Amino acid sequence: DTGVSQNPRHKITKRGQNVTFRCDPISEHNRLYWYRQTLGQGPEFLTYFQNEAQLEKSRLLSDRFSAERPKGSFSTLEIQRTEQGDSAMYLCASSLPRRLGNTIYFGEGSWLTVV
Amino acid sequence: AQSVTQPDIHITVSEGASLELRCNYSYGATPYLFWYVQSPGQGLQLLLKYFSGDTLVQGIKGFEAEFKRSQSSFNLRKPSVHWSDAAEYFCAVGSAGNMLTFGGGTRLMVKP
Repeated sequence: DTGVSQNPRHKITKRGQNVTFRCDPISEHNRLYWYRQTLGQGPEFLTYFQNEAQLEKSRLLSDRFSAERPKGSFSTLEIQRTEQGDSAMYLCASSLPRRLGNTIYFGEGSWLTVV
Repeated sequence: AQSVTQPDIHITVSEGASLELRCNYSYGATPYLFWYVQSPGQGLQLLLKYFSGDTLVQGIKGFEAEFKRSQSSFNLRKPSVHWSDAAEYFCAVGSAGNMLTFGGGTRLMVKP
């Protein structure tokens, strides 16, 4: 399987705990994105990386959220001191921009439930 | 700021009938436009995309979409719907492909 891989697929955690999600992009894709999707809504952009550099962050990404892509390959998204409002699906995506455009491919998502 | 509106939250069609899902966008420059499909509990699968050129684009699973700049629309169509097409459909607009802004989605139900 050469698609975007995310794990864990599901995570249930108690409020106040920290959680970390991992994303492995499509091989050789230099851009990596994180989105969040709540029930009944479209995905919302959180942040993106070009190689290891984090180039853009949404205001949705509070200081409890941190994303890293240390070697320009896989990425992690950590949420500290989780709140019930963090319950959502966290989607990772990757792309390799070309002259004619930038097609973004998504993974299966990681579901977070905060109880 | 860019935005996407999908006016229909739910649509029900009979199997074999034609389908059109509406998408209107707001964007200051030439947009990159996408349609994705999402099955329950799953990620997003790319159906088709428009970057430039021919305004009628073909995608996977028999879907097509037409870019109409004058109407700021990018409607998705399929001539004959199959039961397996039941899912949620998202239209998105991109700024040089960096950040995608999604519409709220249209849930498609297919009657036998």
